[in-house]
Amino acid sequence: EVEMVQSGGGLVQPGGSLRLSCAASGFTVSGNHMSWVRQAPGKGLDWVSVIYSDDRTYYADSVKGRFIMSRDHSKNTLYLQMNSLRGEDTAVYYCASLLTWGQGILVTVSS
Amino acid sequence: EIVLTQSPGTLSLSPGETATLSCRASQSVSSSYLVWYQQKPGQAPRLLIYGASSRATGIPDRFSGSGSGTDFTLTISRLEPEDFAVYYCHQYGSSMCSFGQGTKLEI
Repeated sequence: EVEMVQSGGGLVQPGGSLRLSCAASGFTVSGNHMSWVRQAPGKGLDWVSVIYSDDRTYYADSVKGRFIMSRDHSKNTLYLQMNSLRGEDTAVYYCASLLTWGQGILVTVSS
Repeated sequence: EIVLTQSPGTLSLSPGETATLSCRASQSVSSSYLVWYQQKPGQAPRLLIYGASSRATGIPDRFSGSGSGTDFTLTISRLEPEDFAVYYCHQYGSSMCSFGQGTKLEI
């Protein structure tokens, strides 16, 4: 079965850090372009970052310099390291290939 | 940055009717990298159309995509009750990806 299982969300204070993980099964994260997408409560989808099959990695301006996307081929896992978190980063975060999405995980940035 | 503008914001139709959703890009998008998603409350998005016009596996032929350049359309024929949801277009392939703001299809 093709799926992605996310972990690592939760409550963090402004300025803090959090690392999201996304473990894939049924396909390889290194062979596909993979994205992180977020959705603030009641809002639309917001693209965060992408890594292509050739390892080119890009970020939305809103997270550039604060978030780092990576993948571990041996663990078949995608990561999003989030630093200097702000209230506006509060959202459900999804890892996604084109076809398969994780279940989503809530990140709340609040004091 | 390519901005995708979807219209209308909300579309009110009845089962059996045809829905036409528009996605306009601020600059030309390769058709190969334009997709449509459906999202229902509390769920992750589901891929409907990739490459602007190809249906994903398991998607009924009531769903069709078309367009090129800056204008893309998702058409849903013979609306079923389960089709009422929010629809997003998405472009990727370059250094900046983006989603449209969504069209809510309501009964």
